[in-house]
Amino acid sequence: DIQLTQSPSFLSASVGDRVTITCRASQGISSYLAWYQQKPGKAPKVLIYAASTLQSGVPSRFSGSGSGTEFTLTISSLQPEDFATYYCQQFKSYPITFGPGTKVDFK
Amino acid sequence: QVQLVESGGGVVRPGRSLRLSCAASGFTFSHHAMHWVRQAPGKGLEWVAIILYDGSDKFYADSVKGRFTISRDDSKNTLYLQINSLRPEDTAVYFCVREVVVYARAALDSWGPGTLVTVSS
Repeated sequence: DIQLTQSPSFLSASVGDRVTITCRASQGISSYLAWYQQKPGKAPKVLIYAASTLQSGVPSRFSGSGSGTEFTLTISSLQPEDFATYYCQQFKSYPITFGPGTKVDFK
Repeated sequence: QVQLVESGGGVVRPGRSLRLSCAASGFTFSHHAMHWVRQAPGKGLEWVAIILYDGSDKFYADSVKGRFTISRDDSKNTLYLQINSLRPEDTAVYFCVREVVVYARAALDSWGPGTLVTVSS
């Protein structure tokens, strides 16, 4: 099975900050990676797929990069509505797996 | 618009069975692979199972293989998850999720609100 790790697990930031979250895969997954945002009590929402493609309707301050085993999600200027937990997910092979999540909280 | 609504959750004793349903609307259900994803209270997301768009193949997480069965009825636009031999560790919110594929890359683009399954004696 392909394992995903995320760093950091927890991140304190302020409105306007540039935020970067890293996801690492235990083996190469090409660009078969997606990023999701989840707020408390809500279903997740896809932000990025194919490692770097912005989902329709997602603000352009979100961007993704990477290929192979290392990927990043960047929020260029953190907004109040961005405080949430972020998960990466791989689609390279079954079983599909999620990373453990990164919680972005107020500094 | 795309709508997914899960039902069938509740409080169940260990060892019992449960069937979850997901009613889909607003899109051509038979064109999409569908997933179940779960989330234990206060924990992260755990992928559970997928059924391909035509039902030709199904895959499961190791933690549920042999106990869970995913199925679909395209005539009813409904996805199912049969859960047998329930364990306390199956306690979670279960999400029904649609997969989309763009240029051979997938994403889970539409999620239901989830249904809570609590396994407790």
